[in-house]
Amino acid sequence: EVQLVESGGGLEQPGRSLRLSCTASGFTFGDYGMSWVRLAPGKGLEWIGFIRTKNYGGTAQYAASVKGRFTISREDSKSIAYLQMNSLRTEDTAVYYCAGSRSGWGFDAFYIWGQGTMVTVSS
Amino acid sequence: QSVLTQPPSVSAAPGQKVTISCSGSTSDIGNNYVSWYQQLPGTAPRLLIYENTNRPSGIPDRFSGSKSGTSATLGITGLQTGDEADYYCGAWSSGLNAVYVFGGGTKVTVL
Repeated sequence: EVQLVESGGGLEQPGRSLRLSCTASGFTFGDYGMSWVRLAPGKGLEWIGFIRTKNYGGTAQYAASVKGRFTISREDSKSIAYLQMNSLRTEDTAVYYCAGSRSGWGFDAFYIWGQGTMVTVSS
Repeated sequence: QSVLTQPPSVSAAPGQKVTISCSGSTSDIGNNYVSWYQQLPGTAPRLLIYENTNRPSGIPDRFSGSKSGTSATLGITGLQTGDEADYYCGAWSSGLNAVYVFGGGTKVTVL
């Protein structure tokens, strides 16, 4: 079964850090570009960033709202993508989803989605 | 304020048809493929339409997509109560640093 499972969410204070993991199974993870998308309470979906496959350098792109604070990485040997979130703000409170694209370069739809993990930033 | 513009809500009776519009610019929809996602209450989003008009396997042909210029449309025919959900359009935005943009989402209500 093709699957993505996020983990690592929870309650964290403003200014602190949190790392989310996205574990893949049922497909060749290394061939897929991986994105992170979030859904804040009462808001719509927001794309956070994308990491290319190693074939395309494994580079990442980010939304302006998280650039410089969040970092996406991948460990293909473990089929895991990570989202390192630093300098957390209350407005980062959201359900975080990872999503997989068939194109390793980008400019592709998000075919596979995880079930999401909740991150709450509050003092 | 989302980059792509969708109506906040649409509604229709069971069996009827609804259409959801998605308006963008030459930077996004005008020069890139449009995708559509369905998010049922309390669940993760799922891909409904990719590359403007294509349905992934398992998506019924009641769902259809089209694109013209800088706008796209999702159509749902034979509306069912199980179609009540939020629907989002999305597209890559070309530029020096490519980003992905979503519409604000449209709530579909089955009357």
